[in-house]
Amino acid sequence: SQKIEQNSEALNIQEGKTATLTCNYTNYSPAYLQWYRQDPGRGPVFLLLIRENEKEKRKERLKVTFDTTLKQSLFHITASQPADSATYLCALGGMDSSYKLIFGSGTRLLVRP
Amino acid sequence: GAVVSQHPSRVICKSGTSVKIECRSLDFQATTMFWYRQFPKKSLMLMATSNEGSKATYEQGVEKDKFLINHASLTLSTLTVTSAHPEDSSFYICSALGTGVFNNQPQHFGDGTRLSIL
Repeated sequence: SQKIEQNSEALNIQEGKTATLTCNYTNYSPAYLQWYRQDPGRGPVFLLLIRENEKEKRKERLKVTFDTTLKQSLFHITASQPADSATYLCALGGMDSSYKLIFGSGTRLLVRP
Repeated sequence: GAVVSQHPSRVICKSGTSVKIECRSLDFQATTMFWYRQFPKKSLMLMATSNEGSKATYEQGVEKDKFLINHASLTLSTLTVTSAHPEDSSFYICSALGTGVFNNQPQHFGDGTRLSIL
């Protein structure tokens, strides 16, 4: 069966450390993968996109990797801050001719001051 | 840029009521909009894809007569939950893609509507 798995347990880290979130998928062949941030009671906000032919993408303190062999993406936030506390969603896309995204259930990140 | 407004943000109503939710792209034209449903601590579940000027495409298991979608202009899509019942209570979120869409572009989300049916 098709699955997208993100850690359901919250990730609790100290301010200044690097947060690493994982997105694993099974029986999908995405052409690209996107990461979103969602705050409580709000809609998701786009952060980064990585294509299947890209290994790594960076944007300021954010870094995402994409390993199509392992079927895994890692999302890193360096020098984390309490303001980074939120739920982070990965989404797979480009699996057909539509523009649909298939979302993981998200991982909640808590950054302690 | 790329702001999506969703209204209302919260609705509480009696069972049997029909509820309309609006999704507007404020500073861009949206050829395609998506409607999602999200349960607490769960993934966004795509309900339907709405294309301006044509019928919506519903995902498997979503009742099209229950969840009516209209995308009459390039800036507005509406979702009407007809004869809502308590099991329809959920967080509904819309997103939009701009015109001149290309594959892999991000979706721009509204802030969702919390629907509570008593």
